[in-house]
Amino acid sequence: AAGVIQSPRHLIKEKRETATLKCYPIPRHDTVYWYQQGPGQDPQFLISFYEKMQSDKGSIPDRFSAQQFSDYHSELNMSSLELGDSALYFCASSLGEMTGEQYFGPGTRLTVT
Amino acid sequence: TQLLEQSPQFLSIQEGENLTVYCNSSSVFSSLQWYRQEPGEGPVLLVTVVTGGEVKKLKRLTFQFGDARKDSSLHITAAQPGDTGLYLCAGAKAAGNKLTFGGGTRVLVKP
Repeated sequence: AAGVIQSPRHLIKEKRETATLKCYPIPRHDTVYWYQQGPGQDPQFLISFYEKMQSDKGSIPDRFSAQQFSDYHSELNMSSLELGDSALYFCASSLGEMTGEQYFGPGTRLTVT
Repeated sequence: TQLLEQSPQFLSIQEGENLTVYCNSSSVFSSLQWYRQEPGEGPVLLVTVVTGGEVKKLKRLTFQFGDARKDSSLHITAAQPGDTGLYLCAGAKAAGNKLTFGGGTRVLVKP
């Protein structure tokens, strides 16, 4: 079965640079979520989109923005990167009106040096 | 204050023993999801429980949702070394809502 695809899997950036993370949800899933997971921590919700509209916003810095495109893929844009942005970034997708069970992608490991 | 709390945080047992992980909250959730996560990888969905009192079985794993939909448990029977990993419970207030995680339980099954 098709899973959530994320790219790139690893990314190394320097402070103050920008990064773009991409997420391709499971086919027919209409909701995409972004989470950030620091070392030894739970995934923390950043932002979600339902049918290409932002549906909820969590602790996402103003330096970050995201959108969902007409083909339902989503991109997380991160600017003015800081050392503290180093983390695993996960995208998850779900079929919104069902139980809402979320399927996670393999993640993008972002390292800011 | 953590909305969802797992206990214990760490569990070390011998192969063949049973174990139970608890996920508790003072809030009602429309669904609770259990995941297993390997280091550096994405959480893998094990099960979703949505109905109060619901019990679901996945081979040697039994998941239960409390009657009031505020808590859940994961019971592993005759644990094997392959069960070693990080188990996460996560709750959603409604379908399509963000997940709130419970802190995780790291399970180590020694041969």
